[in-house]
Amino acid sequence: GAVVSQHPSRVICKSGTSVKIECRSLDFQATTMFWYRQFPKQSLMLMATSNEGSKATYEQGVEKDKFLINHASLTLSTLTVTSAHPEDSSFYICSASSGEAGGTDTQYFGPGTRLTVL
Amino acid sequence: QKEVEQNSGPLSVPEGAIASLNCTYSDRGSQSFFWYRQYSGKSPELIMSIYSNGDKEDGRFTAQLNKASQYVSLLIRDSQPSDSATYLCAVITNAGNMLTFGGGTRLMVKP
Repeated sequence: GAVVSQHPSRVICKSGTSVKIECRSLDFQATTMFWYRQFPKQSLMLMATSNEGSKATYEQGVEKDKFLINHASLTLSTLTVTSAHPEDSSFYICSASSGEAGGTDTQYFGPGTRLTVL
Repeated sequence: QKEVEQNSGPLSVPEGAIASLNCTYSDRGSQSFFWYRQYSGKSPELIMSIYSNGDKEDGRFTAQLNKASQYVSLLIRDSQPSDSATYLCAVITNAGNMLTFGGGTRLMVKP
């Protein structure tokens, strides 16, 4: 149980294009999904938190107009990197939690999407 | 002071030995603690969660939590070369449901 998928696993695009990454919880309903970015040899950096049906909460320094997040259903969240530039090249990872109460909220991670912007 | 701290390593142990990974956290109100394993180029994989003081065992893994001292550790018995990875300690603080990660400890198990 608790499987999270991401698609695509790898994408290469030209500078200026937009890229959409999908994150799906396959066997549970995810009330909250999280989007992280990880640069080589660094730890995960939380970009934003999204709850189903509401606007995402972005971390300080993350441009909400550049990284569009939609959490349209309890099993799907999407991250769109708009007008991508080479500095956006990174490993993007989503996670999902079922929203258990009491602070015992386990996050399950997707396999990640490696974005390379030429 | 970082909220969650780990020794970056690398921690090198011989095959079959016990690997001991440690993590300290600063928010005394933290309630939930997690250990994730991350292989190079892959996403984190949940190993264990622990919420109460004491030990929690799952196969070769034992998580230990001491809230008074604000540390959580992970023991790996009978270490295997396939255990070589970066181990991330993560904490949900009192503030909500977000994970705060430590920088990770790189473990190397030598045959």
